[in-house]
Amino acid sequence: SQKIEQNSEALNIQEGKTATLTCNYTNYSPAYLQWYRQDPGRGPVFLLLIRENEKEKRKERLKVTFDTTLKQSLFHITASQPADSATYLCALDMIRSNYQLIWGAGTKLIIKP
Amino acid sequence: DTAVSQTPKYLVTQMGNDKSIKCEQNLGHDTMYWYKQDSKKFLKIMFSYNNKELIINETVPNRFSPKSPDKAHLNLHINSLELGDSAVYFCASSSGWEGTEAFFGQGTRLTVV
Repeated sequence: SQKIEQNSEALNIQEGKTATLTCNYTNYSPAYLQWYRQDPGRGPVFLLLIRENEKEKRKERLKVTFDTTLKQSLFHITASQPADSATYLCALDMIRSNYQLIWGAGTKLIIKP
Repeated sequence: DTAVSQTPKYLVTQMGNDKSIKCEQNLGHDTMYWYKQDSKKFLKIMFSYNNKELIINETVPNRFSPKSPDKAHLNLHINSLELGDSAVYFCASSSGWEGTEAFFGQGTRLTVV
């Protein structure tokens, strides 16, 4: 079955630097890959979606890349701010799963002032 | 206006009790979901409900039953609660089409004592 791996260790980044989070999957490539942000006590909030035939997607300070050869997506936050501190989840949108999302456990990002 | 709202936010109950969690979405979406997020933060799909078609995650005990009075509501009823049912439960909705984002409620933290 499809497995998704995100770094379980918290990622500590100095304010102003670029934070890079990794999402690796094991089996067949998803049609789409989504990134969400989750704050404590809240539900996940959608950030970006990238299609399997896209290499890169940008939205303001956010950038997502998708490498189907490496079976990996990278999520970048440039000019990071303390307000970016949260847990970031990747989710695979698998056609073969009736378009249900398969989720990683998330990586906790801490931006230090 | 809250897009996806679920109540209650916190629920503390004794083993063996029956409880319900309510969910409503005002986005006009066709598909609604229930997720369970355990202590390791994995989001696991429990049910998806689209146009009266229910797709069940086979690992979900039959003590859990979704009930949808209409397209905007999907409630979760749990019978004979067990200690292991303690978790955060999230309701979500989407258009149901491939490559579309999911919108989540704030979550219900269920504690069974």
